[in-house]
Amino acid sequence: NAGVTQTPKFRVLKTGQSMTLLCAQDMNHEYMYWYRQDPGMGLRLIHYSVGEGTTAKGEVPDGYNVSRLKKQNFLLGLESAAPSQTSVYFCASSYVREQFFGPGTRLTVL
Amino acid sequence: AQSVTQLDSQVPVFEEAPVELRCNYSSSVSVYLFWYVQYPNQGLQLLLKYLSGSTLVKGINGFEAEFNKSQTSFHLRKPSVHISDTAEYFCATLPGGGADGLTFGKGTHLIIQP
Repeated sequence: NAGVTQTPKFRVLKTGQSMTLLCAQDMNHEYMYWYRQDPGMGLRLIHYSVGEGTTAKGEVPDGYNVSRLKKQNFLLGLESAAPSQTSVYFCASSYVREQFFGPGTRLTVL
Repeated sequence: AQSVTQLDSQVPVFEEAPVELRCNYSSSVSVYLFWYVQYPNQGLQLLLKYLSGSTLVKGINGFEAEFNKSQTSFHLRKPSVHISDTAEYFCATLPGGGADGLTFGKGTHLIIQP
């Protein structure tokens, strides 16, 4: 099992560009999450999903959109990237309580 | 809303010495508590978790933590650290329902000195 995978691993964007981060899990988990990690801030929840076709806002949702069209995939979109969105993005999935994390995507917005 | 406070941003310790990383949480409902470790340029790995039952929880790599409800604490301990324990450690809570996301502390950087 690959667990939780994230694509891409690194990306550099210019302000105003758009992109989509892909998270995939092969553990048949119902719940999936997107977090961002900034220095000295820990991880903060952006959006999450409790099942296929459902999404909900987390602590810092502004500037991001998500979709969960398939149970195994959770997409995070940036419609118009801003320098404040420079961060490391982590996806996680869970069945009940323990969350399994992907390796992260390092995004830089110039 | 829940919050997690990790009292030390950085903890330097000599190799083979004991270490304690402190974590306090605030919540008005029952919580589940976790410690995650992040090695440089990697994702998060679960060290241990408290869901219910015994308040002393043992995890991987020789770590353990004690849940103290009266002091709302969940401190992480290891009796003898190794150079390979150098990493960032995060304490996190989960609301009772389980579907919401984790609330993380800001992390503690454990630095092992030879």
